[in-house]
Amino acid sequence: GESVGLHLPTLSVQEGDNSIINCAYSNSASDYFIWYKQESGKGPQFIIDIRSNMDKRQGQRVTVLLNKTVKHLSLQIAATQPGDSAVYFCAERDSGTYKYIFGTGTRLKVLA
Amino acid sequence: GAGVSQTPSNKVTEKGKYVELRCDPISGHTALYWYRQSLGQGPEFLIYFQGTGAADDSGLPNDRFFAVRPEGSVSTLKIQRTERGDSAVYLCASSFDKATEAFFGQGTRLTVV
Repeated sequence: GESVGLHLPTLSVQEGDNSIINCAYSNSASDYFIWYKQESGKGPQFIIDIRSNMDKRQGQRVTVLLNKTVKHLSLQIAATQPGDSAVYFCAERDSGTYKYIFGTGTRLKVLA
Repeated sequence: GAGVSQTPSNKVTEKGKYVELRCDPISGHTALYWYRQSLGQGPEFLIYFQGTGAADDSGLPNDRFFAVRPEGSVSTLKIQRTERGDSAVYLCASSFDKATEAFFGQGTRLTVV
């Protein structure tokens, strides 16, 4: 099947450790951000979102941090599991056009 | 259905042929997006529908690409005179409205030979 993330930056993490995936965005007009997880041969899967009026949002085992000053987004995954292995994309939505622009992506490899 | 459904899941076509890719959004979702994803890349925006109308088609690469959503539900992406460079995974996403999160389908892998 198709291999997503063939040439993407890779983060290798030991099972049980915490993972931090970073993303820089460029559009100061972006008001909404989403982290997606994509496994090989599948479509992007929604993980967590955050609006620009917030700087932190927590979900189940995941936390998203937003720093608008430096246009930086991060995804923290607690107690990383083998099932977390995938390519992770951040997506920013332009407040005027409502279209989502995706970042380059980071491949997360969980080591047993 | 429970999620966004795309058909076919795989399509192989010859250079120069016409293809149609179908997207069934989540029921009740008014916003629908088409994206294209090449190997090792993030999804690239093509077009966004709000209801029946194309609110933003700025991502369509050229006039060989066209998309419709005549009844505000199912959408079809149409590609004329396909080229080998059109080979990619074509992803569809829908959201309840333009302000809420978008959910993606599994994609259609198009291969032009």
